[in-house]
Amino acid sequence: QVQLVQSGAEVKEPGASVKVSCQASGFNFNSYSMHWVRQAPGQGLEWMGVINPSPHTTYAQKFQGRLTMTRDTSTSTAYMELSSLTSEDTAVYYCARESYEWTPGYWGQGTLVTVSS
Amino acid sequence: EIVLTQSPGTLSLSPGERATLSCRASQSLYIKYLTWYQQKPGQAPRLLIYDTSSRATGVPDRFSASGSGTDFTLTISRLEPEDFAVYYCQQYGDSFTFGPGTKVDIK
Repeated sequence: QVQLVQSGAEVKEPGASVKVSCQASGFNFNSYSMHWVRQAPGQGLEWMGVINPSPHTTYAQKFQGRLTMTRDTSTSTAYMELSSLTSEDTAVYYCARESYEWTPGYWGQGTLVTVSS
Repeated sequence: EIVLTQSPGTLSLSPGERATLSCRASQSLYIKYLTWYQQKPGQAPRLLIYDTSSRATGVPDRFSASGSGTDFTLTISRLEPEDFAVYYCQQYGDSFTFGPGTKVDIK
C-alpha cells in the first residue's frame, strides 16, 4: 500500500533553515509528482509547491527564493527545505503524492516545525 | 491568483441530516481542476472528490459534488458520525490554492 513517512518534529531558531524528508513506499516513486502543503496551528491548508519526476519544481510565489524541493530516486525520498525561517513558518508540513493530475491523494503524517528563539 | 471562498464557515447539523457546502472562486477562466478534502483533528487531509465531481477510491456515495465556472458544491446526503470534520476545496489552474475550509460540527 502507498505509504509516506515523514521525518520527525523540528525546533528551529529564526533565520535558520529546515529540511523535512518524506520516504515513499508501495508505489513507483519515479512516476509521481510530490506536493508539499503546510498548515499553521489552527489554520487552513497552504500549498507550497510540487516536484515532478523529471525533476522539475513549481513553487508558490510566496516561497520563491527560500524554498527548495528535491527528490532522491535511489531512496524514494522527497525533501523540502525552507530557509530564513520566521515564527510565521511554524506549521505542520505535509508531503503528498499525486493520485490524479495536480491532485494530491496520498498524504504523509505531517511534520511539526516550530520556529522559536 | 484565484481566491476560493467557502461558505458557511461552520455548519452545525445532526447525524442523518443533509450538508451542503459551497466553494466559490474569484474567477473561473483558469480553473482546470476542483478538488475537495476532508480533514479531522490531528490527521492529514483525505482526498474526497477530484475533477469537480469524481469520488476518490473508497469514498462513500453519500458524498457528491458538482459545479462549474465559479460555483462548486459538496453535498453529504446523510451525515454519519464520522463525517463531522473540516472540508476544504482546492483549485488548480491558476496556481494552486485552497479555500479556508468549512467546519461541519454536531448540532
